[in-house]
Parts: sequence; structure tokens; C-alpha cells
Amino acid sequence: SQTIHQWPATLVQPVGSPLSLECTVEGTSNPNLYWYRQAAGRGLQLLFYSVGIGQISSEVPQNLSASRPQDRQFILSSKKLLLSDSGFYLCAWSVSNRGQPQHFGDGTRLSIL
Amino acid sequence: AQSVAQPEDQVNVAEGNPLTVKCTYSVSGNPYLFWYVQYPNRGLQFLLKYITGDNLVKGSYGFEAEFNKSQTSFHLKKPSALVSDSALYFCAVRDPGAGKSTFGDGTTLTVKP
Repeated sequence: SQTIHQWPATLVQPVGSPLSLECTVEGTSNPNLYWYRQAAGRGLQLLFYSVGIGQISSEVPQNLSASRPQDRQFILSSKKLLLSDSGFYLCAWSVSNRGQPQHFGDGTRLSIL
Repeated sequence: AQSVAQPEDQVNVAEGNPLTVKCTYSVSGNPYLFWYVQYPNRGLQFLLKYITGDNLVKGSYGFEAEFNKSQTSFHLKKPSALVSDSALYFCAVRDPGAGKSTFGDGTTLTVKP
């Protein structure tokens, strides 16, 4: 069966520090991969999605970036965190068939001090 | 462009009563529609989907949803609510030609004993 791993579960970082959040998927190949941010337990903001290695679509201009160095690995990064980067970050995957649902990791709660 | 609306931030029901969580959508073609549930500090879990066929879709945990093309709605229902159904519910839509889904802002369901 397929699984998705996201870490760390919680992270506290000072303003201006770098960030690296990692997401890996097991049990499937060539998945679509997504990064979302959720503020205050409400709606999801799509940050990036990827349909293949090295293929990244950015949805919102900001100081975050994403990379997909391997088929089932998706990394969210920042060189300098802002206070506004605080939130709950969720990684998700889906098969490339667009009628299939997304499957989410358990998220990383990021607090910026 | 695709969009989805969940008109109620909060739905309160008594245990054992039927529940409905509303969702309306807008897409240019025939939609793919999804419902997800989120428990505190967890990722979203897929409940059910409509792709084509029967307008009444059955999903996990006794939930079902009715697709209504004329009203562009996809309301989530359950005949008898449980306290454990209390959670945040998200509706999502995808235009078959789009590379990503659009999520609603979520509805908090509270089931009281």
C-alpha cells in the first residue's frame, strides 16, 4: 500500500533562518506531488505542485521554493523565513489520473519566532 | 477557472440526527468532486468522490454525497451523526482539464451528544 511521510511534525524557527521540509511517498511511482499551507485550521493554499522530477509549478509568489530531486521526494525550502511563513504545511500526492483523490501527510506545524 | 464554496463555516447537529454539509462549485466542464475530512493536527483524509455516473455517491464512515448538476452542488450527508464525526470538512473540485484541485474554505462540523 502507498504511504506518505512528512517531517518534522513540529518546527520552531527564528525569523531569517532557512527552512527545509521533506516529504516522501512509498508504494507508487510517478505521483503528482503537492505542497499546501493551512492557516489557523481553515482553508488550504496551494503553494507548489509537481507532475514529475524537476517539474515544479509555483502557485503563489513568495520566499518559498520547492524541489523534486527524486520521483517520490518533494522538498519545501526557504533561504530566509518571515513571520508570515508560520502555519501548517501539508504535503500530498495523487496518481496522475485526474479523477483520483489526493492523499495527505500529517503535516508540519511551523512557528516562526 | 474553477472554484468551490462552502457557505457555512460551522454546522451543529445532535448525535443521531441527520447532517448535511453544503458545497457548491463552478467549473467550465464536467467536474471531478471530492470530500475530505480533517481531524485536529492531522492531514486531510479522503471520504468520497464523484467522477461520473450515479448522482448519489457513497463513501467512508457512512457518508454520502449527492451531485446536482443543475444546482452545481455536491452536499455531504449522513443519516445519523456520531460525536466522532466532529471535524473539519473540505469540498474540492477539479476541472478535468486542470492540473490541480481547488479546495473550499472548510466547514467545522460539531456533533453534540
